[in-house]
Amino acid sequence: DTAVSQTPKYLVTQMGNDKSIKCEQNLGHDTMYWYKQDSKKFLKIMFSYNNKELIINETVPNRFSPKSPDKAHLNLHINSLELGDSAVYFCASSHGQGVHEQYFGPGTRLTVT
Amino acid sequence: GNSVTQMEGPVTLSEEAFLTINCTYTATGYPSLFWYVQYPGEGLQLLLKATKADDKGSNKGFEATYRKETTSFHLEKGSVQVSDSAVYFCALGNRDDKIIFGKGTRLHILP
Repeated sequence: DTAVSQTPKYLVTQMGNDKSIKCEQNLGHDTMYWYKQDSKKFLKIMFSYNNKELIINETVPNRFSPKSPDKAHLNLHINSLELGDSAVYFCASSHGQGVHEQYFGPGTRLTVT
Repeated sequence: GNSVTQMEGPVTLSEEAFLTINCTYTATGYPSLFWYVQYPGEGLQLLLKATKADDKGSNKGFEATYRKETTSFHLEKGSVQVSDSAVYFCALGNRDDKIIFGKGTRLHILP
């Protein structure tokens, strides 16, 4: 059974388009995250939700909008895609923040052309 | 604020060599410390953790000891294998706050 799953795994699109990435976890966790990893493997947190409530919103352009329909799902919608949005996006989940292990999904590689 | 500094890579070693990847941190309070590993094409997974000073985390032959006096959490392995080739992330977490990840160290093991 996959613990944290993301779809799609690969996404190739043109500048200016709007796209969504979906994430689901079956671990019963109450906290979910979106991270962006650049080509140098630097990992940057974007958002965190706890029980469907936004608790972390880093300095991310407002073209990025997360949505959590329930505590098992956290989706990421990106408007007006730019070249600089090309990266690997990871979803993760945990029991609460900080001191708890995070479980990561397999990643979505977004390429904007 | 909290921060994590780890040695820059890439680190290239021969199989069966001894590995050390340095990690130091700055934090308020009493954080938990982690090492995560990312194999090619995959997401991060927890390798080991330590929750208080002098704790030693260990897994798959890797070890790290939480040193409060030197604010360090260095990762070590006595004999690396080709399958250990991956990117390793040191991380720090305080209760009710986000985890802070280091920049990652890429490790290449040559057969």
